[in-house]
Amino acid sequence: AQSVTQLGSHVSVSEGALVLLRCNYSSSVPPYLFWYVQYPNQGLQLLLKYTSAATLVKGINGFEAEFKKSETSFHRTKPSAHMSDAAEYFCAVSEGGNTPLVFGKGTRLSVIA
Amino acid sequence: GAGVSQSPSNKVTEKGKDVELRCDPISGHTALYWYRQSLGQGLEFLIYFQGNSAPDKSGLPSDRFSAERTGGSVSTLTIQRTQQEDSAVYLCASSLDGTEDTEAFFGQGTRLTVV
Repeated sequence: AQSVTQLGSHVSVSEGALVLLRCNYSSSVPPYLFWYVQYPNQGLQLLLKYTSAATLVKGINGFEAEFKKSETSFHRTKPSAHMSDAAEYFCAVSEGGNTPLVFGKGTRLSVIA
Repeated sequence: GAGVSQSPSNKVTEKGKDVELRCDPISGHTALYWYRQSLGQGLEFLIYFQGNSAPDKSGLPSDRFSAERTGGSVSTLTIQRTQQEDSAVYLCASSLDGTEDTEAFFGQGTRLTVV
């Protein structure tokens, strides 16, 4: 069965600094990978997805994520953090074929002025 | 509808009572998912529907939990004899056909508090 590990339940960065949110997965078949964001008191919103096309996926607001099969990773980065990036971020994996998304435990990003 | 709608948004119940949580998916979406979000535990998969059938019930934590979906639309998650450990945010999501190419849209959840 597939699984996701997000290293760091809480990441704190200064405004303008690099943001790195880590995600490692386990899957018995080529995976489909996703990043979701959750703002306080709101539902989850899809930010990025990898479905076997380009390994570098670009999302909104300058975030991007890179699929590395050799490292079983799908880390998410942004060169310069903004205050509005503060939220909780979830990485998820699916094995396709109508299997449900399996989520990591989430990483809460704080941005310090 | 415009999005996935869940009701109630908040529910406080006494230990031992039964509760029903409702999810209205986006019109035309055949796949529907229930997740539970507890503090520090991330999102825990509960059950998945394709149409009215549930090919994957593996995440239901106990036999106190059950779910049904009627008419390929509305779904109800029922928790019988609630316990304090059932307190969490219950999230529902739907997608067009459940394949990896279709996005899952989430509702804002039902916050359940068992006292």
